[in-house]
Amino acid sequence: AAGVIQSPRHLIKEKRETATLKCYPIPRHDTVYWYQQGPGQDPQFLISFYEKMQSDKGSIPDRFSAQQFSDYHSELNMSSLELGDSALYFCASSLGVATSTDTQYFGPGTRLTVL
Amino acid sequence: AQTVTQSQPEMSVQEAETVTLSCTYDTSESDYYLFWYKQPPSRQMILVIRQEAYKQQNATENRFSVNFQKAAKSFSLKISDSQLGDAAMYFCAYVRYSGGYQKVTFGIGTKLQVIP
Repeated sequence: AAGVIQSPRHLIKEKRETATLKCYPIPRHDTVYWYQQGPGQDPQFLISFYEKMQSDKGSIPDRFSAQQFSDYHSELNMSSLELGDSALYFCASSLGVATSTDTQYFGPGTRLTVL
Repeated sequence: AQTVTQSQPEMSVQEAETVTLSCTYDTSESDYYLFWYKQPPSRQMILVIRQEAYKQQNATENRFSVNFQKAAKSFSLKISDSQLGDAAMYFCAYVRYSGGYQKVTFGIGTKLQVIP
């Protein structure tokens, strides 16, 4: 079965640079969630989208922005990168918000290293 | 706000033995879902098992089962016949729906070591 695809899998950036992470949800999934997982920490929710509209916002810095496109893929844009942004960034997708039996399926993550 | 507590930072189990990972949560909601996710060294987050709060029957998935005690707000994961591939970080997650959207709260995780 098709899974959530994230690209790139690894990314190395310098401080103050910009990074773009991409997420391709499972086919037919219309909801995307972004999480940040620092070393030795649990995943922290950043932001989510449903049907191309932002549905919820968590602890996402103002330097970050995200959007969901017409094909339901999502991009997380990170500007003015800081050392503390080094983390594993997960994308998860689910099918609709109308069904409460929904489950989030996670992608493999993008490991971002800021030097 | 909901909180999820995993009080065992690390656990170990002999191969083929049984181990139980604990998870407690705090909520005032009556309708919610609970999950266990597994994160092996590859860092991939893999769904292990889910439990709907309205169901009294404990969920099972092959060698994985839960002991869900709603009144006690406890959701432990039992792994039977442990295998080397079970070695991973295990996260307990609480999911509720707010305004039609999922809100997930993770515990800090329990690192499981499987001893050959």
